Amino acid sequence: QKEVEQDPGPLSVPEGAIVSLNCTYSNSAFQYFMWYRQYSRKGPELLMYTYSSGNKEDGRFTAQVDKSSKYISLFIRDSQPSDSATYLCAMSADSWGKLQFGAGTQVVVTP
Amino acid sequence: DVKVTQSSRYLVKRTGEKVFLECVQDMDHENMFWYRQDPGLGLRLIYFSYDVKMKEKGDIPEGYSVSREKKERFSLILESASTNQTSMYLCASIRGGGMNTEAFFGQGTRLTVV
Repeated sequence: QKEVEQDPGPLSVPEGAIVSLNCTYSNSAFQYFMWYRQYSRKGPELLMYTYSSGNKEDGRFTAQVDKSSKYISLFIRDSQPSDSATYLCAMSADSWGKLQFGAGTQVVVTP
Repeated sequence: DVKVTQSSRYLVKRTGEKVFLECVQDMDHENMFWYRQDPGLGLRLIYFSYDVKMKEKGDIPEGYSVSREKKERFSLILESASTNQTSMYLCASIRGGGMNTEAFFGQGTRLTVV
């Protein structure tokens, strides 16, 4: 079993809808949680970063971490066609930046 | 503007060849990583380095080696390329861990082994 599970999608939504993405994990030592966005033929770029449990909001993006359930989520409000990308969850247990990634969910926002 | 540069976007190599993938970062980061990305599997860590001349195996090091002679450069070596090493390879660097674990990625090298 993988340490980090993420539904690969694709997830297709109409413009303006809320996109809901999630990951589950098995390693209780994870304490740093991230979401990366990857456009086609590009490297991933950091979108959201959360330490331990809680919520974090940045513009249209909200990240949630529930360590008791080993579950993290990313919500994108008022989705735009430019949000079409692959979203990867990532997490780390140590202070050195060694990350475990989910498989990535492909999101398509249709005009 | 931070930058991680991988030497090639696309490479085609023959089975058995020795292949070098180069990565350079200009951010004075201590930590550098090599991942491969395959559909349905996400990014998997091959090797990483916390300092010059220092290396640690990741989750899938078999068939690979690395070199870090200078802080800014981290090379991935496929000793004898095989078709199952056809993949997207991504290099990343991180300043440090803990609360500052933002990884900056290069644009990726798509390697095809024929």
